[in-house]
Amino acid sequence: EPEVTQTPSHQVTQMGQEVILRCVPISNHLYFYWYRQILGQKVEFLVSFYNNEISEKSEIFDDQFSVERPDGSNFTLKIRSTKLEDSAMYFCASSDNVGHYEQYFGPGTRLTVT
Amino acid sequence: AQSVTQLGSHVSVSEGALVLLRCNYSSSVPPYLFWYVQYPNQGLQLLLKYTSAATLVKGINGFEAEFKKSETSFHLTKPSAHMSDAAEYFCAVSDSSYKLIFGSGTRLLVRP
Repeated sequence: EPEVTQTPSHQVTQMGQEVILRCVPISNHLYFYWYRQILGQKVEFLVSFYNNEISEKSEIFDDQFSVERPDGSNFTLKIRSTKLEDSAMYFCASSDNVGHYEQYFGPGTRLTVT
Repeated sequence: AQSVTQLGSHVSVSEGALVLLRCNYSSSVPPYLFWYVQYPNQGLQLLLKYTSAATLVKGINGFEAEFKKSETSFHLTKPSAHMSDAAEYFCAVSDSSYKLIFGSGTRLLVRP
């Protein structure tokens, strides 16, 4: 069964460093998303991406964040200068249609900023 | 704006007992509603979805949910809890821009 994969599973970085979180969505999907979940809190939307551009972004997704689909398979989230409050689980998701169909989530990357 | 409220951050049931996890939503457009389950240290797995077809939706692992427009609810039920059902459950609504808006989650504990 096709699945969304994410690497790494755990990333530890120092405050101020850049990190890139990687995702491989399901191959025929067209819509891609990043969400995050701070420990003990709800899952929050960060950004959606379609046709090589951002469809929507939340207030969390400020200038420190960027997304890219560098090739036909990967979808990345970059945080340019990490802050302690960026520590969270980051989930990638993809869907083959918008709205009616479910988003398939990856297993997440746990980002720890020290 | 769409929102989701899950009543009860923790629900504890005995093995074999009925599971009822509550979800109420607010939506300015006909909603698409979802229940996701998260097992410890894992990602989110879709349990079931409501997309304006049948109001009673059956999902995986014996779960089902009923969409009640008059009550703006989408409660999740399972007739008989199993130890393996212990997890965190998230209700979510898809808004007009298609992103998912999640509730705060309910942790289900199953007692032997």
